[in-house]
Amino acid sequence: GENVEQHPSTLSVQEGDSAVIKCTYSDSASNYFPWYKQELGKGPQLIIDIRSNVGEKKDQRIAVTLNKTAKHFSLHITETQPEDSAVYFCAALGASGSARQLTFGSGTQLTVLP
Amino acid sequence: DGGITQSPKYLFRKEGQNVTLSCEQNLNHDAMYWYRQDPGQGLRLIYYSQIVNDFQKGDIAEGYSVSREKKESFPLTVTSAQKNPTAFYLCASSTLGLTDTQYFGPGTRLTVL
Repeated sequence: GENVEQHPSTLSVQEGDSAVIKCTYSDSASNYFPWYKQELGKGPQLIIDIRSNVGEKKDQRIAVTLNKTAKHFSLHITETQPEDSAVYFCAALGASGSARQLTFGSGTQLTVLP
Repeated sequence: DGGITQSPKYLFRKEGQNVTLSCEQNLNHDAMYWYRQDPGQGLRLIYYSQIVNDFQKGDIAEGYSVSREKKESFPLTVTSAQKNPTAFYLCASSTLGLTDTQYFGPGTRLTVL
């Protein structure tokens, strides 16, 4: 099955700086890669996603890049703000058989220091 | 949380008891999912359902059971056979089209006393 690795597990940045979180996946058939933000005690919220026919997608301060050859994708947050502090999860969706399942990374605790 | 409700928010259970967690969605989504989240870890899939009266085991189904009698409802029962049930449980739903975006509920925190 799919395996998703996420790095780093914790990340601290100064307010206004950029943050980058990286994920790798194992199943070359995976075709959909969402990113979720989870605040303490709440359910994950989708913040951006990318499909395998696109190399990059941007939404205001958030961008995601995908390298299918290397099987990795990254989340970029620019001009970070204290409210960006949360746990971020990447995920990959398998494309074959019963693998309509999201496999999640282990999460990155992002702290934006004022 | 977008149209997905979970109840209760907090649940306490004594060892040996079964307990049922509720999940309801009004998004008209065909697929529903249950995940378990432990501290410092990602989400692990327990069960999922793509159609009424049908469901499939995920990666950690042992000690859990589900039903899907209605499109909008997907309750999860944590049985006494689950060895370590204390965790945060998340329900999600999605369409079955190309997007497959999953939207999550607010979660239920289960604590076994």
